Amino acid sequence: DQQVKQNSPSLSVQEGRISILNCDYTNSMFDYFLWYKKYPAEGPTFLISISSIKDKNEDGRFTVFLNKSAKHLSLHIVPSQPGDSAVYFCAASNPLGGGADGLTFGKGTHLIIQP
Amino acid sequence: DTAVSQTPKYLVTQMGNDKSIKCEQNLGHDTMYWYKQDSKKFLKIMFSYNNKELIINETVPNRFSPKSPDKAHLNLHINSLELGDSAVYFCASSQLDRGGYTFGSGTRLTVV
Repeated sequence: DQQVKQNSPSLSVQEGRISILNCDYTNSMFDYFLWYKKYPAEGPTFLISISSIKDKNEDGRFTVFLNKSAKHLSLHIVPSQPGDSAVYFCAASNPLGGGADGLTFGKGTHLIIQP
Repeated sequence: DTAVSQTPKYLVTQMGNDKSIKCEQNLGHDTMYWYKQDSKKFLKIMFSYNNKELIINETVPNRFSPKSPDKAHLNLHINSLELGDSAVYFCASSQLDRGGYTFGSGTRLTVV
């Protein structure tokens, strides 16, 4: 049973527009959410996170929104740039266990920024 | 049905010991990986391996070695454990021509 779902394997966005990556989760015990970015042949790098006590966290062009009632979070990138083309992973943390550090990953969404 | 499973979930051991973490995937993927997550939640790739090639991150000490008995398994062996090896280690797999990564749930290694 997949507890963190990224239902879009890929997303294509024009340069300069907004990219919106979505993530859904099923475990209501998750209390911390993270987004990772991964380039080919490199390891994922941490991008931005949000605690369950917030509904929004912003860092430069990146904003993460959390809707706890819907068990949904999204990552907004605006404006999108060519260097944003990568695979984005959503991850969630469960303080009560369920994994070595409670991190459960989605399968990733491949974002493609078109010129 | 766990797609990528790692054992053990928790491992506490003394400095100087040798330990192994096992990883198995039942997805038929052709590539497997080991990642190390540091205290800042940053995931760093350690190894990627398919039946043709082992790619090693050059920053990984040679005390760490991957062992793949078959396509579905990639175990991580660590010799002479040090305090700085304490971290969470994630196994992952992917099918390169189809995309998508599946991560295991992680192994928390604590060296005392």
